[in-house]
Amino acid sequence: DIQMTQSPSSLSACVGDRVTITCQASQAISTYLNWYQQKPGKAPRLLIYDASNLETGVPSRFSGSGSGTDFTLTISSLQPEDFATYFCQQCDELPLTFGPGTKLDI
Amino acid sequence: EVQLVESGGGLVQPGGSLRVSCAASGFTFSIYGMSWVRQAPGKGLEWVSTFSGSGGSTYYADSVKGRFTLSRDNSKNTLYLQMNGLRSEDTALYYCAKLRGDYAELPFDYWGQGTLVSVSS
Repeated sequence: DIQMTQSPSSLSACVGDRVTITCQASQAISTYLNWYQQKPGKAPRLLIYDASNLETGVPSRFSGSGSGTDFTLTISSLQPEDFATYFCQQCDELPLTFGPGTKLDI
Repeated sequence: EVQLVESGGGLVQPGGSLRVSCAASGFTFSIYGMSWVRQAPGKGLEWVSTFSGSGGSTYYADSVKGRFTLSRDNSKNTLYLQMNGLRSEDTALYYCAKLRGDYAELPFDYWGQGTLVSVSS
């Protein structure tokens, strides 16, 4: 199975900050990497697919990059509604696996 | 508007069975892959099972293989997960999720709100 790791596990930041979250796969996954945002008590929401493609309706302050084993999610200017937990997920092969999450709080 | 509505969760004793359902609307259900993803209380996300779209293949995580059975009724736009031999470690919120296309290795572009399964004596 492909193991996904994320860093940091938690992060405190301020409105307006630029934030970067990293995700690493245990083996190369090309660009088959997705990012999800989850707020407390809510279902996950797809933000970025195939490493760098912005899902429809997602604000442009979110961006993704990377290929192979190393990936990043960047939020260019944090907004109050961005405080949430972020998960990466590989869809290169089954079983589909998720990172442990990065909790972003104020 | 895509909607996924799960139902059927509840409290069940270890070794018991439960069937959860996911009613879908707002898209052509039969041509998309559909999955269950679970989240134990306070924990991360775990993929459970996927039913591909037109191909009709099913896939399972090793942790549930042989105990859970995934099915779909395209005439009712509904996905089912039959869970047998339930264990305490199966306790989780079970999300129904739509895949972006018809095969298994794709992003989940829509999620339901989840149905809670609790396994305890």
